[in-house]
Amino acid sequence: KAGVTQTPRYLIKTRGQQVTLSCSPISGHRSVSWYQQTPGQGLQFLFEYFSETQRNKGNFPGRFSGRQFSNSRSEMNVSTLELGDSALYLCASSWGTGRDNEQFFGPGTRLTVL
Amino acid sequence: KNEVEQSPQNLTAQEGEFITINCSYSVGISALHWLQQHPGGGIVSLFMLSSGKKKHGRLIATINIQEKHSSLHITASHPRDSAVYICAVLSGSARQLTFGSGTQLTVLP
Repeated sequence: KAGVTQTPRYLIKTRGQQVTLSCSPISGHRSVSWYQQTPGQGLQFLFEYFSETQRNKGNFPGRFSGRQFSNSRSEMNVSTLELGDSALYLCASSWGTGRDNEQFFGPGTRLTVL
Repeated sequence: KNEVEQSPQNLTAQEGEFITINCSYSVGISALHWLQQHPGGGIVSLFMLSSGKKKHGRLIATINIQEKHSSLHITASHPRDSAVYICAVLSGSARQLTFGSGTQLTVLP
């Protein structure tokens, strides 16, 4: 069974641009969560989607948004990029949303904002 | 005070040593994860536990809900165990994970 895939793996953008990152969950998984990892803040939760609905959102500005499609694939979008958005963005999928549903992480997309 | 505290931040060991990494949390949780992150970024979930103890190969994870504490043990450590180990908790009814700052483990041959 293929794991969680994320595209692209690396991305370089300039301030003010926008970016879209993609996450394909493990087949059969319906929940996708997104996380940001920076050297200063560590790993932080961005949002979770289940059945095309945002179920939970972390403490990030409105420039960060996401969506989930009917095939459970998810995208996250960051508009008006800032230097501080440079980070590793990780997504994780799980079968459901219950506490016993283990999350499986993708390899991440490393975003550099110049 | 962070909700999830890990210790130590950095750990260097000789191959074969027994290693313990600790995680303390301040909130009520429904589950705790131990994650491993190698250089390059990919994260692997090692354990998810809500009580007791789990073992997988040379790795053992324990949790004490009353004391709000978990430990990750590595027996007979090997250089390939060198990685960052991250504790994360799932609190209450929310699905969002709150992460510790990680422990950088280096195992020398």
